[in-house]
Amino acid sequence: GDSVTQMEGPVTLSEEAFLTINCTYTATGYPSLFWYVQYPGEGLQLLLKATKADDKGSNKGFEATYRKETTSFHLEKGSVQVSDSAVYFCALSDHDFGNEKLTFGTGTRLTIIP
Amino acid sequence: GAGVSQTPSNKVTEKGKYVELRCDPISGHTALYWYRQSLGQGPEFLIYFQGTGAADDSGLPNDRFFAVRPEGSVSTLKIQRTERGDSAVYLCASSFSGGNGETQYFGPGTRLLVL
Repeated sequence: GDSVTQMEGPVTLSEEAFLTINCTYTATGYPSLFWYVQYPGEGLQLLLKATKADDKGSNKGFEATYRKETTSFHLEKGSVQVSDSAVYFCALSDHDFGNEKLTFGTGTRLTIIP
Repeated sequence: GAGVSQTPSNKVTEKGKYVELRCDPISGHTALYWYRQSLGQGPEFLIYFQGTGAADDSGLPNDRFFAVRPEGSVSTLKIQRTERGDSAVYLCASSFSGGNGETQYFGPGTRLLVL
C-alpha cells in the first residue's frame, strides 16, 4: 500500500538557518504530493503541493520539488523564522478509484530559536 | 468565508458509551473526509463521502464506527461502545469536488478522550 516516510524529529534550528525536511513515498500510481503544517493551537493547513513529476510547489518561502526518480518531496526553506515553528506533515493522494484520501507521514516538529 | 467547523471541540466520555462527532464542511464542497490522529502520529483516513454517499469506508477500524451525511453537507461520525483505544483527535476535511490533487481543508478537530 501507499506510505510516506519523513524525517524524524524534533528538529531545532536557529533563526535564519537553512531548513530541509526529508520526505520519501511509496505509491502504486502517480500521486499528488503535499506538505501540510500545524501551527501551535491551530488546525492542519496546506503549505504547498505538487501534482506531477518535476513540479515545484512553493509558499511562504518554502519549496518542494516532486522527484519521481527518487520518490521524494523534500521541504526546504532558505532562512527560517521563529514563526515557522510548527509540526510539518508530508502527505500523498494516489487517485485510488476517485478517492483522493491523504496518506500522511508521522510529522516533524520544528522549533526555531531566536 | 467560513472554513470547516467541528463540534464539540473536546469530548470526554466513559468506556462503553456512545458518541457523535459533527462536521460542517465548507459550503459547496461535495467531498468530505474523516481522519483520526493519535498522539505523535499523522492523520489516518477513516471514510470518504462524495455527496450523500460513503464512497470509501475502508479506513473505519471496526463496525463500532459509522458515519452519515444525509443531505450532502453536514456529516456525523458515530462511535458505539467506546473503548479507551478510541481516544484521539478526529479530523474532518472537505474539498470542492474530490478531484485529482485538490486541496483538502481541515477543521480544528474533536479531541475525544475515553476514560
